[in-house]
Amino acid sequence: GAVVSQHPSWVICKSGTSVKIECRSLDFQATTMFWYRQFPKQSLMLMATSNEGSKATYEQGVEKDKFLINHASLTLSTLTVTSAHPEDSSFYICSARRQGDNQPQHFGDGTRLSIL
Amino acid sequence: AQSVTQLDSHVSVSEGTPVLLRCNYSSSYSPSLFWYVQHPNKGLQLLLKYTSAATLVKGINGFEAEFKKSETSFHLTKPSAHMSDAAEYFCVVSPSYGQNFVFGPGTRLSVLP
Repeated sequence: GAVVSQHPSWVICKSGTSVKIECRSLDFQATTMFWYRQFPKQSLMLMATSNEGSKATYEQGVEKDKFLINHASLTLSTLTVTSAHPEDSSFYICSARRQGDNQPQHFGDGTRLSIL
Repeated sequence: AQSVTQLDSHVSVSEGTPVLLRCNYSSSYSPSLFWYVQHPNKGLQLLLKYTSAATLVKGINGFEAEFKKSETSFHLTKPSAHMSDAAEYFCVVSPSYGQNFVFGPGTRLSVLP
């Protein structure tokens, strides 16, 4: 299999708090990990792509200082939402991909972030 | 540039009847194509993938999809719907040389008893 674990599954916190979300590939090495944001009843929006050991590539319109991504190992990537505000409330999903062409992405179960 | 169109935002079928979820794509290259399913408040689960091998692809849970290059389509089918199939379905295209996915807008499948 190809299991991706995302933690926590649900976070509720006050405005101004920083929140870290972890994404782990449990049974394979993920050379590339992706972070998505999903609004209600909409498709996934790619936020950034990260390769192990290098800086993440952010999509246009995504603030890199707001959404800090670290991919320090082949099995772990983290997304930190800094100084979160209510407009950052959303469903965040990570995925991980093995090296090689035509490899599918394997998704975590997502994190529901609610900022009060 | 790649793009994906899912023609139906919502499909409703009765339990035990066939399912057809439509997907059309545009791609400058020979693409890889995927179908994913998302249950409420969950991540995405891979149903099946096409990567230039057999044009008829069988996936999990009885789903299959046929790649038709002439029609630029990759429709998802299942002979008999089950209540547990009710979910959101995403068609995804990826250029064969690259790594980024392009997601379709999704189709919500409802299964009526």
